[in-house]
Amino acid sequence: QQPVQSPQAVILREGEDAVINCSSSKALYSVHWYRQKHGEAPVFLMILLKGGEQKGHEKISASFNEKKQQSSLYLTASQLSYSGTYFCGTEMGVYGGSQGNLIFGKGTKLSVKP
Amino acid sequence: DTAVSQTPKYLVTQMGNDKSIKCEQNLGHDTMYWYKQDSKKFLKIMFSYNNKELIINETVPNRFSPKSPDKAHLNLHINSLELGDSAVYFCASSQLGLNEQFFGPGTRLTVL
Repeated sequence: QQPVQSPQAVILREGEDAVINCSSSKALYSVHWYRQKHGEAPVFLMILLKGGEQKGHEKISASFNEKKQQSSLYLTASQLSYSGTYFCGTEMGVYGGSQGNLIFGKGTKLSVKP
Repeated sequence: DTAVSQTPKYLVTQMGNDKSIKCEQNLGHDTMYWYKQDSKKFLKIMFSYNNKELIINETVPNRFSPKSPDKAHLNLHINSLELGDSAVYFCASSQLGLNEQFFGPGTRLTVL
């Protein structure tokens, strides 16, 4: 039930765009995105709940396609500070509300070069 | 002000020993979690406590026992440590529901 992230790694030049995908074989209740820099703790980016929901945070945005059981994270005009490993965490089959039981993908390592 | 703190930051110990990791949050959250991140960076939830009660208990060896003395603290005790327990352990907290989780800085456990 672990979501599958793709690509596993991506290298960008500053200013380039990237898309990270997260897909599940089961119906998803919510998708959470986190970024982890080397040697640090994961840091929250955003949560998507409803199918079709899109959210944005400056130049980082995400979408959630409920039918395809997939979420995508979009990084536009990447900056050096975007480097890190991006994890999607998914919840499925929630009854009575979210319990924060996230199953994380294996991560996508993003490297932004000057 | 540290939101979620863990002690110790590093823990090096011999196989067979018993050790504890402490976690405290000052965010007023009602739910706390323990995650294990292995050498391949796979982040896996171990336990979750809401208001001092266990709500998530993933398949982990019973050598691992969480203890929550109050809402702000969730400690992890590990008995009879094995080589495979070597990992980074993260504590996190949130308000129960669809909310972001705040992670502590992690404890790197090395079992020799």
